[in-house]
Amino acid sequence: EAGVTQFPSHSVIEKGQTVTLRCDPISGHDNLYWYRRVMGKEIKFLLHFVKESKQDESGMPNNRFLAERTGGTYSTLKVQPAELEDSGVYFCASSPDGAGLVWEQYFGPGTRLTVT
Amino acid sequence: DQQVKQNSPSLSVQEGRISILNCDYTNSMFDYFLWYKKYPAEGPTFLISISSIKDKNEDGRFTVFLNKSAKHLSLHIVPSQPGDSAVYFCAARGHNSGGSNYKLTFGKGTLLTVNP
Repeated sequence: EAGVTQFPSHSVIEKGQTVTLRCDPISGHDNLYWYRRVMGKEIKFLLHFVKESKQDESGMPNNRFLAERTGGTYSTLKVQPAELEDSGVYFCASSPDGAGLVWEQYFGPGTRLTVT
Repeated sequence: DQQVKQNSPSLSVQEGRISILNCDYTNSMFDYFLWYKKYPAEGPTFLISISSIKDKNEDGRFTVFLNKSAKHLSLHIVPSQPGDSAVYFCAARGHNSGGSNYKLTFGKGTLLTVNP
């Protein structure tokens, strides 16, 4: 079974530019999450999709961040315009339907974003 | 306000000995706890979990203990192996008023080094 994949693995952009991160969850996983880790701190929740619907976006820092999951498969996270404080590692995770009480989330390798 | 705390940034043990990683939490609504292991440049990998209705869960060399009254959990690795050297994150899931019940709240992680 293929794991969660993320693209790109690294991105270096200048302040004010736009970047789009992509996540492909494990096939069949309805739940998709975005997290961010900034400068060696804790991994922080950004948002949660159930299929194509946003279940919770309480962790999104501000309206410069836009996440989509059209068709309920892969997801994109766009940062526009990027600021210096957006630098960090963005992780995507997925999990199957929680009805089976499977709460483990499976993480991708992350995208390291550097804003200069 | 950090709801999941890992107060030891690092831990060093000898191969073959026991490694004990600790985690404290403040939110009594957390009902499921997970440990993740992370190698550099990789995403967190699920290791072991425990429901709040249990006080112990064991999987091979890994055992997680939960003390609800103290809001404390620990991960025991015995015997420790050099390949266990990684950052270990404690995470918690809980019922949130509004929003997603699926999102994970992470600690800052503990770097475990197992010396040959």
